[in-house]
Amino acid sequence: GDSVTQMEGPVTLSEEAFLTINCTYTATGYPSLFWYVQYPGEGLQLLLKATKADDKGSNKGFEATYRKETTSFHLEKGSVQVSDSAVYFCALSTDSWGKLQFGAGTQVVVTP
Amino acid sequence: DGGITQSPKYLFRKEGQNVTLSCEQNLNHDAMYWYRQDPGQGLRLIYYSQIVNDFQKGDIAEGYSVSREKKESFPLTVTSAQKNPTAFYLCASLPGQGKNSNQPQHFGDGTRLSIL
Repeated sequence: GDSVTQMEGPVTLSEEAFLTINCTYTATGYPSLFWYVQYPGEGLQLLLKATKADDKGSNKGFEATYRKETTSFHLEKGSVQVSDSAVYFCALSTDSWGKLQFGAGTQVVVTP
Repeated sequence: DGGITQSPKYLFRKEGQNVTLSCEQNLNHDAMYWYRQDPGQGLRLIYYSQIVNDFQKGDIAEGYSVSREKKESFPLTVTSAQKNPTAFYLCASLPGQGKNSNQPQHFGDGTRLSIL
């Protein structure tokens, strides 16, 4: 079945450092790929998405490129802020029911 | 503003008790979903519904039940058969009966359920 694997956390960074969170997937067909962010005590918010190979999603300084050849969708940000401290989830959707398959989540902690 | 409202934010269950988590949306979305979140495990799908009066089991439906009598509402009942109900529960919705997998789901702020 479909699955998503993302790097374990926590990832601890200093402010203004470069962030990468690795995400790889296994899927039949051609999935849409998403990154969601969860702040403490809250639900998930969409961060960015990509719906076909070589698409680049971007939002709030975060970027991720849909790489079909490596089945990856790594999240990057060039200069993180303390306010970026959160849990980040990679997810995919392939079926007509709109169901999402999530990775385990990666906690990011940014220190001043 | 349109959105998804989950209530209560915190809920406590006694042994042998059923509890119901509320999920209401005013986004006019057809499809709705319930997920369970446990530490380090990501989100797992409990139930989903594409239209009123119809719903399907997800990956971990045992010990849970749902109803979809109105488009706006998709309550989840955690029954006494669910032996490990302590978790964070998230409700989500999607337009167009979920048939376009390109669209992102919208999430509520969750309900945290604990056992007394």
